[in-house]
Amino acid sequence: AQTVTQSQPEMSVQEAETVTLSCTYDTSESDYYLFWYKQPPSRQMILVIRQEAYKQQNATENRFSVNFQKAAKSFSLKISDSQLGDAAMYFCAYRAGTYKYIFGTGTRLKVLA
Amino acid sequence: NAGVTQTPKFRILKIGQSMTLQCAQDMNHNYMYWYRQDPGMGLKLIYYSVGAGITDKGEVPNGYNVSRSTTEDFPLRLELAAPSQTSVYFCASGGTYNEQFFGPGTRLTVL
Repeated sequence: AQTVTQSQPEMSVQEAETVTLSCTYDTSESDYYLFWYKQPPSRQMILVIRQEAYKQQNATENRFSVNFQKAAKSFSLKISDSQLGDAAMYFCAYRAGTYKYIFGTGTRLKVLA
Repeated sequence: NAGVTQTPKFRILKIGQSMTLQCAQDMNHNYMYWYRQDPGMGLKLIYYSVGAGITDKGEVPNGYNVSRSTTEDFPLRLELAAPSQTSVYFCASGGTYNEQFFGPGTRLTVL
């Protein structure tokens, strides 16, 4: 069965610093998609970044980038130049061909001024 | 373009009551999903649909029913509400590049 694990329930980062959130997953599929979602206190789920498993190049969206290690089944999110507005719950998610998404339990990120 | 909309935003039910959570999307997406999020937890899939007239169970379908008569709408029905169904419910639709777009959520309390 596919699983997604986020081993850090909570992380803190100083404003303007860099932080990395970890995610590992388990699958026997070779073709799949990985996502990071942000959930601020408003509860709205916002897509931060996506990665297709067939792409070797790591995805980047402005200050957000991933380190995708397919063999290790690892998909970490790096946030550079952290801002107060980055404070939120971050969820890692996996999707394969069944159209079902599997979410991790989330990491709460605190940004310290 | 409103994206994914959900109604109501909040609801309190008594044990044994029934209700329907409404979800609509205007992006012409084929895939739609219902999740529940319990406090401090991630999202668990209740039901999903890959197109009008086609639905399937997710991880936690017991106590819920869905229908998909149109591409736009995907209502979730709770029959005989129980305290264990107290949660935040999210509807989502599937986009072109496999990402999901989420609605704002419905906070449901069963007392």
